[in-house]
Amino acid sequence: NAGVTQTPKFRVLKTGQSMTLLCAQDMNHEYMYWYRQDPGMGLRLIHYSVGEGTTAKGEVPDGYNVSRLKKQNFLLGLESAAPSQTSVYFCASSYGGLSGNTIYFGEGSWLTVV
Amino acid sequence: GENVEQHPSTLSVQEGDSAVIKCTYSDSASNYFPWYKQELGKGPQLIIDIRSNVGEKKDQRIAVTLNKTAKHFSLHITETQPEDSAVYFCAASTSGREYGNKLVFGAGTILRVKS
Repeated sequence: NAGVTQTPKFRVLKTGQSMTLLCAQDMNHEYMYWYRQDPGMGLRLIHYSVGEGTTAKGEVPDGYNVSRLKKQNFLLGLESAAPSQTSVYFCASSYGGLSGNTIYFGEGSWLTVV
Repeated sequence: GENVEQHPSTLSVQEGDSAVIKCTYSDSASNYFPWYKQELGKGPQLIIDIRSNVGEKKDQRIAVTLNKTAKHFSLHITETQPEDSAVYFCAASTSGREYGNKLVFGAGTILRVKS
């Protein structure tokens, strides 16, 4: 009963380095999302996907790229990390559509950019 | 786009008392309003949700009310217990395939239950 799994859980990057956060879900959900959480700002949507092979921009997409090559995986990439990207990142998934709105979150990935 | 405001930012109650957290939203097209609980070091977990065709929903000690005219919704926790201490987030979205169910979150409320 894994649900939504994120790796890595913790990472420290130097400014300018690149990295990829991996998200996997085993619930056969069509929709997947990447959020970032910053103190006092709640969770903000970075990018999302409504199905395999599709991606779309959310509220704060700049500096990030995503890919959804397989239905169960959603990757978040930072091409050139900046200190402003220090945050906690949450992947989520949902069945989606009009009747299946519940969004399930992973445990989070803590990223520090120095 | 949608904007969700949440109050208060922190709330301290005595064990056994009730706690109320309020949210307002801006987009009249929003039709789904979930509440999430986040414990330290964990991801948010859905605790209750309400859809726009319902005015109130209860689940044991937790209830949510929705006033679509005023565009606000509230979380009510009765008989609070120390394990209710956490950060609570409200959210709003317009569900539908083209929207991908994009949730817009409030800033969160830190609830402390004192025993």
